[in-house]
Amino acid sequence: GAVVSQHPSRVICKSGTSVKIECRSLDFQATTMFWYRQFPKQSLMLMATSNEGSKATYEQGVEKDKFLINHASLTLSTLTVTSAHPEDSSFYICSGRLDLTDTQYFGPGTRLTVL
Amino acid sequence: KQEVTQIPAALSVPEGENLVLNCSFTDSAIYNLQWFRQDPGKGLTSLLLIQSSQREQTSGRLNASLDKSSGRSTLYIAASQPGDSATYLCAVRGGSNYKLTFGKGTLLTVNP
Repeated sequence: GAVVSQHPSRVICKSGTSVKIECRSLDFQATTMFWYRQFPKQSLMLMATSNEGSKATYEQGVEKDKFLINHASLTLSTLTVTSAHPEDSSFYICSGRLDLTDTQYFGPGTRLTVL
Repeated sequence: KQEVTQIPAALSVPEGENLVLNCSFTDSAIYNLQWFRQDPGKGLTSLLLIQSSQREQTSGRLNASLDKSSGRSTLYIAASQPGDSATYLCAVRGGSNYKLTFGKGTLLTVNP
């Protein structure tokens, strides 16, 4: 099946620093990728939809200047959390959409802890 | 705005028992519904996907049903095993876009 990877799997940073998370589709091209955030015991909340070669579409309430998304190629999307604060600590999951089957495949997630 | 609710929030059963997880959604205009499994601290594994025109899907010991008109889906797990212990998430995809709306999940514990 289609595989999506994320790097890093865990990151701990100090408040005020920026953190970049990579999402790669390993064996398929994903024109569309999605970024989700999951707080403990909560559902996944869609943050933004990332389209290759164009600007991301952000969900209501998500600050686009804080969560920078770049989808420069058909296999790579990045999420940069700028000036991270403790309230940004969460589990971030990406998914890539396989156009042929119109199915989303999810990455293993990145645990971000901001001290 | 689509809302997805999963009941119960947590379930603990002895090994070998058959069980049902429930999912309900408020907007019946869906494209498909998907059940996922999530192990602690891990990503999502897709279990079953039901298109809006389908009534059920089966994979091994898992059977998922969909009643679009009433906004409900169930995931049936037969002969549960300790390895089935995980959080099970239900997600619906809207008819007009690719966005998935997730429920909060049911935490299943199967005791040996």
